[in-house]
Amino acid sequence: GAGVSQSPRYKVAKRGQDVALRCDPISGHVSLFWYQQALGQGPEFLTYFQNEAQLDKSGLPSDRFFAERPEGSVSTLKIQRTQQEDSAVYLCASSFTTGGNTIYFGEGSWLTVV
Amino acid sequence: EDKVVQSPLSLVVHEGDTVTLNCSYEVTNFRSLLWYKQEKKAPTFLFMLTSSGIEKKSGRLSSILDKKELFSILNITATQTGDSAVYLCAVEARETSGSRLTFGEGTQLTVNP
Repeated sequence: GAGVSQSPRYKVAKRGQDVALRCDPISGHVSLFWYQQALGQGPEFLTYFQNEAQLDKSGLPSDRFFAERPEGSVSTLKIQRTQQEDSAVYLCASSFTTGGNTIYFGEGSWLTVV
Repeated sequence: EDKVVQSPLSLVVHEGDTVTLNCSYEVTNFRSLLWYKQEKKAPTFLFMLTSSGIEKKSGRLSSILDKKELFSILNITATQTGDSAVYLCAVEARETSGSRLTFGEGTQLTVNP
């Protein structure tokens, strides 16, 4: 695709609800990243995939957060039993290879937990 | 732990002014420093810097990296209202498992007509 595409753009979830956020990276991009951006803050790293392999998930804040990329293209970030502190913009990014290449961001999924 | 600090956190100027945004960092296994512009949507790529002392330019924007003093600056000359945005600085670390970006908090730039 022309750019990194994310859906839904906006999601309001009731506390305790499960949510799934989708990322469609730029075609052919090997690396895929998820970042969490709270209001007024810079993005914070959550997890990283190289093709279908999740090589780094050290930024996931709790075991309620789970990400997958089963076929090495589309990725899903799932948040179980959402809590208010999960409210943030979830940014997906991709790059052609690992390291030293421009990393392109999607427009984000804005999650509000009420 | 990798760390990126940006200053100032916010800045209000008039059209035509020149601004300098600062970014200092501490990172293990530095690979590159990147600047992004964010206007309530996706951060858009501005510059990637890997070598000290080499200025990168794009129109009215320019940036330079000092790897000895561990900082970078982003200059915007003859600012326009369309430059109003959050400017994010990020450092990329060389990781055995790939790479990750560590971002600063951003500088909120407001350019008034």
